[in-house]
Amino acid sequence: NAGVTQTPKFQVLKTGQSMTLQCAQDMNHNSMYWYRQDPGMGLRLIYYSASEGTTDKGEVPNGYNVSRLNKREFSLRLESAAPSQTSVYFCASSEMGLAGSYEQYFGPGTRLTVT
Amino acid sequence: GDSVTQMEGPVTLSEEAFLTINCTYTATGYPSLFWYVQYPGEGLQLLLKATKADDKGSNKGFEATYRKETTSFHLEKGSVQVSDSAVYFCALINNAGNMLTFGGGTRLMVKP
Repeated sequence: NAGVTQTPKFQVLKTGQSMTLQCAQDMNHNSMYWYRQDPGMGLRLIYYSASEGTTDKGEVPNGYNVSRLNKREFSLRLESAAPSQTSVYFCASSEMGLAGSYEQYFGPGTRLTVT
Repeated sequence: GDSVTQMEGPVTLSEEAFLTINCTYTATGYPSLFWYVQYPGEGLQLLLKATKADDKGSNKGFEATYRKETTSFHLEKGSVQVSDSAVYFCALINNAGNMLTFGGGTRLMVKP
């Protein structure tokens, strides 16, 4: 049981390049999330997918697109990378827990640098 | 909208000292509250949670009580260890259960 896995772990892009961050979970969770983490700002939600076939914008969606490929996989795409997208990206998944606790499980993160 | 405010760090303590990290929140309804911990180079791990007023979450010697009257969820530990050095995030989830709102994080450094 690997939990939530993310690839790659590190990536350096030049401004204007594109890339896709991959995320997979093996816990049979319905909901999946993409966050970015910037110093002093905690984590901010980019996009989420409440269930297979649905996606919704979070707090900071501009410059990103997502695909919920199937129940296990949720990818994040940067079409034209900008230096402002330099960050650490975390994927998470969840299922409604007991008493509605909605516990989220996080992957190890992808550190992205855009030059 | 929902928001979470944590004390700014870093917090530097000696081993076996008492720890308090303050957390207050603003939210409508009755959110669930969480503390997550992030060790260096790793993702976030759930440390403890509380789903209703006056609930106390506890794990690994850490505790936090959901105080609706003061909208607070302060993290405490009676005796910290070097291995507790990490970044701690307070968070809440809204009634719909689809938006986890984080505080800015508090870095804890414990010296031997």
